[in-house]
This record gives sequence, C-alpha cells and structure tokens, in this order.
Amino acid sequence: DAKTTQPPSMDCAEGRAANLPCNHSTISGNEYVYWYRQIHSQGPQYIIHGLKNNETNEMASLIITEDRKSSTLILPHATLRDTAVYYCIVRVARAAGNKLTFGGGTRVLVKP
Amino acid sequence: GAGVSQSPRYKVAKRGQDVALRCDPISGHVSLFWYQQALGQGPEFLTYFQNEAQLDKSGLPSDRFFAERPEGSVSTLKIQRTQQEDSAVYLCASLKGTGQGGYTFGSGTRLTVV
Repeated sequence: DAKTTQPPSMDCAEGRAANLPCNHSTISGNEYVYWYRQIHSQGPQYIIHGLKNNETNEMASLIITEDRKSSTLILPHATLRDTAVYYCIVRVARAAGNKLTFGGGTRVLVKP
Repeated sequence: GAGVSQSPRYKVAKRGQDVALRCDPISGHVSLFWYQQALGQGPEFLTYFQNEAQLDKSGLPSDRFFAERPEGSVSTLKIQRTQQEDSAVYLCASLKGTGQGGYTFGSGTRLTVV
C-alpha cells in the first residue's frame, strides 16, 4: 500500500473549519484514501473514504486532487471534541486481508 | 452489541506470565483484525481473520503471540511468557464484509508488563 505524508501537528480554532492535508504521491489507481481519527484513550474511529470523487458525510468532507496525489480532510466546524490524532491511509480493497497501515498521523488540537 | 467490545480494559502482567485478551466483534462481522499500538505510535497490524480462518498473521512479532477465532465470532489474542516490550495497547477491529467500508475498532486493552 502507498505511503502517506501528513504534518505532525496543527492547531485550529473552535467553530472554524479545519483543513487536514495528506500527500500520497505514489498512490495506485485501485487504492482508496481513508481517514481515521483517534481520540485519547480510544480506538481509531472511521471518518470517511474515497477513490477519486470528493465525498461528504455527517462528520467531514474529503477532497481528492484530480491527479489523486494528495487529499484534504475538512472538518467544517471544529469542536473541542474533534481534538485527536488524524490518520490518512491509502489501501487497496482486496477480497481479504485488506489491513490498514497507519503512519504517524496529524495531532490536531482544537482551541477555544 | 452495538460496537466492538474488548476485555479486560487494563491488564498488568508480571514478566514471564501468559495473558489472554478477548475481542467481541460486532455480530455478523466477517473480518476481524488485531493491532498493537505502542505509546506515541500509530497502530500496527498483527493478524487478520475472515470468519474462523486466520488468513494473515504476518504482523505477529514472535511465536509467543497466538490468536484464534474458533467459531468465527469472538477472538482471543494470547501472549505467552510476556516481556516488557509487549507493553502496549492491543486493539481489535471488525468489518462487516471483506472489501470496502470503515472498520469499527474497540477501545483496546492496555497491557503493562512489569
């Protein structure tokens, strides 16, 4: 699975949009982009995933560039509860063994 | 239940002791994964089950680690002769099918070997 690069940390203001970048320049055509987050002392939580089209759900939006070499996770109105480590992961969907490979993630601190 | 349940939540083991960590996945979920997360690091893959079949155990760090899922539901991760470097959070995740979609993770078991 392709490797991803994320900034190690970022701060954002409560109530503002948080834009989390991820580079995945070696992504293959059949690899999806996944985002998870991990709040302190909890297991990772699935946020969203996409292949090449932009995606939106109740938690966030995912913007994937046309060449698919980078993406941005957008939290539209960050709250204090969004403070977490955010992981960008790319992986191929296989019939079995489609494990996630976590990198270092981005530690996001939402400030009042 | 509604989520993935792991027990115990915390475990302290003396070095050399055997431990067993339990995972109750979401009912009907076919895929089950175990991950190990050291302090300050991202989770690392240990092993994968599709129903009762263990299809990938490439992440198990040594032969002291053993996992099973005999009836395709509950899974147990066993660590024999624990060592200090085994101290970590052990996470279990399940997925309804075998393809796309997000995994549901449990809250993990924090193992401390003293």
